[in-house]
Amino acid sequence: DSGVTQTPKHLITATGQRVTLRCSPRSGDLSVYWYQQSLDQGLQFLIQYYNGEERAKGNILERFSAQQFPDLHSELNLSSLELGDSALYFCASSVEGSGVNEQYFGPGTRLTVT
Amino acid sequence: AQSVTQPDIHITVSEGASLELRCNYSYGATPYLFWYVQSPGQGLQLLLKYFSGDTLVQGIKGFEAEFKRSQSSFNLRKPSVHWSDAAEYFCAVGAPGNTPLVFGKGTRLSVIA
Repeated sequence: DSGVTQTPKHLITATGQRVTLRCSPRSGDLSVYWYQQSLDQGLQFLIQYYNGEERAKGNILERFSAQQFPDLHSELNLSSLELGDSALYFCASSVEGSGVNEQYFGPGTRLTVT
Repeated sequence: AQSVTQPDIHITVSEGASLELRCNYSYGATPYLFWYVQSPGQGLQLLLKYFSGDTLVQGIKGFEAEFKRSQSSFNLRKPSVHWSDAAEYFCAVGAPGNTPLVFGKGTRLSVIA
């Protein structure tokens, strides 16, 4: 158990819909990262938040957005869903200041868009 | 830009045999290198990491990896594979500090009796 929790574990929805994925980082970790894992693209970085502020952006679509709340949990919002958005979405967290960039991953949310 | 190549998509080894999974990276400075393992239906678990110092690093579950700057490689090894090692293995590279990781495509390991 990494200490990073993600809900829900599975999500099945229809095209055009909107969903929210939730992540709680390890206790004390200020950085949260979102990654998407798909068969064709592999593991791709989407976005990073640090202590409530967006820090880095990767291959995140405009239809996707994220935020980190004062209690440090983060949510990834996916809207106008398409079949190609079906993937595993991982959240990871790391502690700031260590300089070692050790990221701990949650169990993931499997999104299926039908 | 950082990149990671894992040349082997799928490897099959016999239980008890030795294992080496290859990883080549591209990064302008001294990289931070990681190996993660993903069992079916699970998240990614950190096996080991390299930041600096001794180029041979030990990890969990009996795994080790060797950093070779001249070859831009960070290969993962295990002297004797167990059936429970069957999983997907990912090599990743990152910059110092809290920055996103760049992952390779992964190598799927199958273990046969």
